[in-house]
Amino acid sequence: DIQMTQSPSSLSASVGDRVIMTCRASQSIGSYLNWYQQRPGKAPNLLIFAASSLQHGIPSRFSGTRSGPDFTLTISSLQPEDFGSYYCQQSFDFPYTFGQGTKLDIK
Amino acid sequence: EVQLVQSGAEVKEPGESLKISCMGSGYSFTKYWIGWVRQTPGKGLEWMGIIHPSNSTAIYSPSFQGQVTLSVDKSIKTAYLQWSSLKASDSGMYYCARRWAANDQETWFEPWGQGALVSVS
Repeated sequence: DIQMTQSPSSLSASVGDRVIMTCRASQSIGSYLNWYQQRPGKAPNLLIFAASSLQHGIPSRFSGTRSGPDFTLTISSLQPEDFGSYYCQQSFDFPYTFGQGTKLDIK
Repeated sequence: EVQLVQSGAEVKEPGESLKISCMGSGYSFTKYWIGWVRQTPGKGLEWMGIIHPSNSTAIYSPSFQGQVTLSVDKSIKTAYLQWSSLKASDSGMYYCARRWAANDQETWFEPWGQGALVSVS
């Protein structure tokens, strides 16, 4: 199975901050990487697909990039509603696998 | 509005059987694969498998192959996840989700059902 490793596992930031989190796959997965946000008590919600494509309806402060084996999710200006956990997921090969998540708290 | 609505929380004893459901609406149900994902505090999000409603073709994660069964009733736009003999380790939150696909590998899950909590003890 392809292992997905996210960092950091948790972070705390203030409203207006630029927030960056990363995801790395244990092998090459091309750009077949998705990002999801999960607020407490809710189901995951798609933010970014194919590494850098913004899902319809998601605010433009969210962006995704790929640099070689590393994938980055950036929130350009953190808003109070952005708290929760963020997960990456590879769709390169079965079984699909998720990262362990980055938990984002608002200071 | 595209929606997946799941059945409610379940409390079961080890050895019992269980079938939970996921009903799709607002889109052509037979056109998109439906996936199932388990979430537990210890292992996080785990992909269990996907099933195509048009012909019931299913692809399982090796971790769940033989442990669960995916099925679908396209006449009522509903997918199912079932266990024949539950174990305590099957406890968790179970989500269904529609799989979008631009090609064989460029795929993602959207939307997700609200989740169904399964407790086995």
